[in-house]
Amino acid sequence: GAGVSQSPSNKVTEKGKDVELRCDPISGHTALYWYRQSLGQGLEFLIYFQGNSAPDKSGLPSDRFSAERTGGSVSTLTIQRTQQEDSAVYLCASSTTSGGAGETQYFGPGTRLLVL
Amino acid sequence: GQNIDQPTEMTATEGAIVQINCTYQTSGFNGLFWYQQHAGEAPTFLSYNVLDGLEEKGRFSSFLSRSKGYSYLLLKELQMKDSASYLCAVTGAGGSYIPTFGRGTSLIVHP
Repeated sequence: GAGVSQSPSNKVTEKGKDVELRCDPISGHTALYWYRQSLGQGLEFLIYFQGNSAPDKSGLPSDRFSAERTGGSVSTLTIQRTQQEDSAVYLCASSTTSGGAGETQYFGPGTRLLVL
Repeated sequence: GQNIDQPTEMTATEGAIVQINCTYQTSGFNGLFWYQQHAGEAPTFLSYNVLDGLEEKGRFSSFLSRSKGYSYLLLKELQMKDSASYLCAVTGAGGSYIPTFGRGTSLIVHP
């Protein structure tokens, strides 16, 4: 079966522009995560969706970042008025979960964002 | 805050054994993941430890000591393809099920 897919794979944009990053999770996975990975850094948690519950937005670094998940499946991460420090790899992951702690996360290939 | 420490980089020789350590200081703990990430690729699951002790899975083993806040990933019979970053992640930190990741250890295997 298909894994987690993300698009675009690469995105180059100018400072101040808005960007949208897309994630298609594995079918049937109710949990979806967005992470950011800067060069030489670990995965920085951004936002978490679980079923129909309100998302956990505690990791979003500023109000320029937002995300939505439509129909419990596809998710879009939007960065408004991009800054150079937003340049990073944005990773999406999904998992089956009933709210437990040991579900394996399946990661997508990431979107490499470069803000000029 | 939550703190997860791993060495930044390690090097080892093909065929050898290497141990990658991870220490954590977190308010709350459920379990610890190890993921492998090749350059330019997505992280992939290696192991998840909840109980103390060693879990072996082929050439890879993972150890956990909850009382010491310590884990290690042991890689045996190293192969060139094992060159990758190895990410340690804790669940339950701060009472959250969302995994908190360390910065990862870049392992370089040379002939």
